[in-house]
Amino acid sequence: ETGVTQSPTHLIKTRGQQVTLRCSSQSGHNTVSWYQQALGQGPQFIFQYYREEENGRGNFPPRFSGLQFPNYSSELNVNALELDDSALYLCASSPGTGGNTEAFFGQGTRLTVV
Amino acid sequence: EDQVTQSPEALRLQEGESSSLNCSYTVSGLRGLFWYRQDPGKGPEFLFTLYSAGEEKEKERLKATLTKKESFLHITAPKPEDSATYLCAVRTWGAQKLVFGQGTRLTINP
Repeated sequence: ETGVTQSPTHLIKTRGQQVTLRCSSQSGHNTVSWYQQALGQGPQFIFQYYREEENGRGNFPPRFSGLQFPNYSSELNVNALELDDSALYLCASSPGTGGNTEAFFGQGTRLTVV
Repeated sequence: EDQVTQSPEALRLQEGESSSLNCSYTVSGLRGLFWYRQDPGKGPEFLFTLYSAGEEKEKERLKATLTKKESFLHITAPKPEDSATYLCAVRTWGAQKLVFGQGTRLTINP
């Protein structure tokens, strides 16, 4: 059974550019959530996708958007990058949306905006 | 608004010195409380889920407990490889997201 995998592992972008981060969910998991983790802080919820539909969103502006594909993999897109977008971006997959289901995280993508 | 506060922010112990990490939460209705371990530059690794007050779970040197207001992660006779940041998170009824605390950075000196 493969775990959650994210790509790329590291990325450097210039302010104003756009970026796409990718996530392959764990086998059998149909729900993917994205989190942003600033240095020294806990992860902050960006949004969740369930069966290709957005299923909840945190306090992030519309320039953060996403997709989920039929195989349940997912993308996070960020437009008009700002310096404050520099963070570790985490993808988590779970076998459903119920509150008692555990979320399993990938290794993250470290995004640096210069 | 749902809130999770972890204490202390950082803890340094000697190998074999047992201690506890605290996670206090204020939520509208707790559906589950989750503990994760995170190594530097890596994603969080799932440890435990607790659902109701009085529940306890154990894994090797770690034991998690839950009350109506807080959870404790007890670490018994820790080893240097237990050094990591420990994150606590809650999920509430009707919500999709996990709300995380800021973590406790644990260092075990040999």
